[in-house]
Amino acid sequence: AAGVIQSPRHLIKEKRETATLKCYPIPRHDTVYWYQQGPGQDPQFLISFYEKMQSDKGSIPDRFSAQQFSDYHSELNMSSLELGDSALYFCASSAGQSHYEQYFGPGTRLTVT
Amino acid sequence: AQTVTQSQPEMSVQEAETVTLSCTYDTSESDYYLFWYKQPPSRQMILVIRQEAYKQQNATENRFSVNFQKAAKSFSLKISDSQLGDAAMYFCAYYSGNNNDMRFGAGTRLTVKP
Repeated sequence: AAGVIQSPRHLIKEKRETATLKCYPIPRHDTVYWYQQGPGQDPQFLISFYEKMQSDKGSIPDRFSAQQFSDYHSELNMSSLELGDSALYFCASSAGQSHYEQYFGPGTRLTVT
Repeated sequence: AQTVTQSQPEMSVQEAETVTLSCTYDTSESDYYLFWYKQPPSRQMILVIRQEAYKQQNATENRFSVNFQKAAKSFSLKISDSQLGDAAMYFCAYYSGNNNDMRFGAGTRLTVKP
């Protein structure tokens, strides 16, 4: 079965640079969630989109923005990167009434040097 | 705000034995969902089992079962016949449709001894 796809899988950036992470949800899933998991931490919810509209916002810094496109894929844009942004970024997707049943992608490991 | 607490940072179990991972949560809502996710060294988040709060029957998935005590706000995971491949970090998670986001516990690292 198709799973959530995230690209790139690994990304290395320098401080103050920008990064764009992409997420392709499972086909026919209309909701996308972004999570940040720091080293040794539990995943923290950043933001979610339902039918291309932002549906909820968590602990996402103002330097980050995200959107969901007409094909339901989503991009997380991160600017003015800081060392503390180094983390594993997960995207998850869910479908219709099963918004609670989130399927996670493999994650993008971002390293800021 | 909803919080999820996993009081066991680490647990170990002998292969083929049974282990129970604890999770408690705090919420004022009546309609919510609870999950256990497994995160192996690959860091992939894998859904192990889920429980709808309105269901009294405890969820089971093969060797994995939960003990859901709604009044006590407790949601423990029992792994029977533990296998080496069960070694991973296990996260308890809470989801409410009102907030539309998932809250995770701090995780329990499970080691399986051969």
